[in-house]
Amino acid sequence: QSVLTQPPSASGTPGQRVTISCSGSSSNIGSNTVNWYQQLPGTAPKLLIYSNNQRPSGVPDRFSGSKSGTSASLAISGLQSEDEADYYCAAWDDSLNGSVVFGGGTKLTVL
Amino acid sequence: EVQLLESGGGLVQPGGSLRLSCAASGFTFSSYAMSWVRQAPGKGLEWVSAISGSGGSTYYADSVKGRFTISRDNSKNTLYLQMNSLRAEDTAVYYCAKDLTPNDFWSGHDAFDIWGQGTMVTVSS
Repeated sequence: QSVLTQPPSASGTPGQRVTISCSGSSSNIGSNTVNWYQQLPGTAPKLLIYSNNQRPSGVPDRFSGSKSGTSASLAISGLQSEDEADYYCAAWDDSLNGSVVFGGGTKLTVL
Repeated sequence: EVQLLESGGGLVQPGGSLRLSCAASGFTFSSYAMSWVRQAPGKGLEWVSAISGSGGSTYYADSVKGRFTISRDNSKNTLYLQMNSLRAEDTAVYYCAKDLTPNDFWSGHDAFDIWGQGTMVTVSS
């Protein structure tokens, strides 16, 4: 059971806008920034969004992130077939000894 | 090109030991905290351990505390993970990952901007 909760799956058609949610608590998302990672099949994760809504260089502006309270969201507009991947949210958790916590991941299917 | 390359994975019996290495290139290795993140087969990501840029501070997930030791050799641009008393539940692909922002310390808040390709560790009799 992951500390951050994501829907296990999401889907959309090419050109569509999809959002992936990430729900946490006051000890993680509620008080710390959220990062998002994309993992294409058979590859290592790649940083997609950091500090809630910042895109590293090279990441298309079709990808955007937001945070409100104890939840965060990743939005992908103009969906493309190459966006089919697993997406993970992550944040620092202040509870106990502190730890980086990840969501369970959302598998995005482009129909 | 910024790159991380893990090695050292393999098959080990329960209770055994293994040392993973992560060779870094393309950036000033000593300026960045580094982490190990693992992914069990068909499962999600789990942060395992982190180390400050100088190597003076180390951090562990509760699941590996007391069994795993993270270290680094900045003269060799290499990160290590010594894994002892291995259990079946340690079976996973192990990735090394670099912090986005140069800092000697590790806060846990920074994103991991560069990941290695991963090395598979299988704990089984």
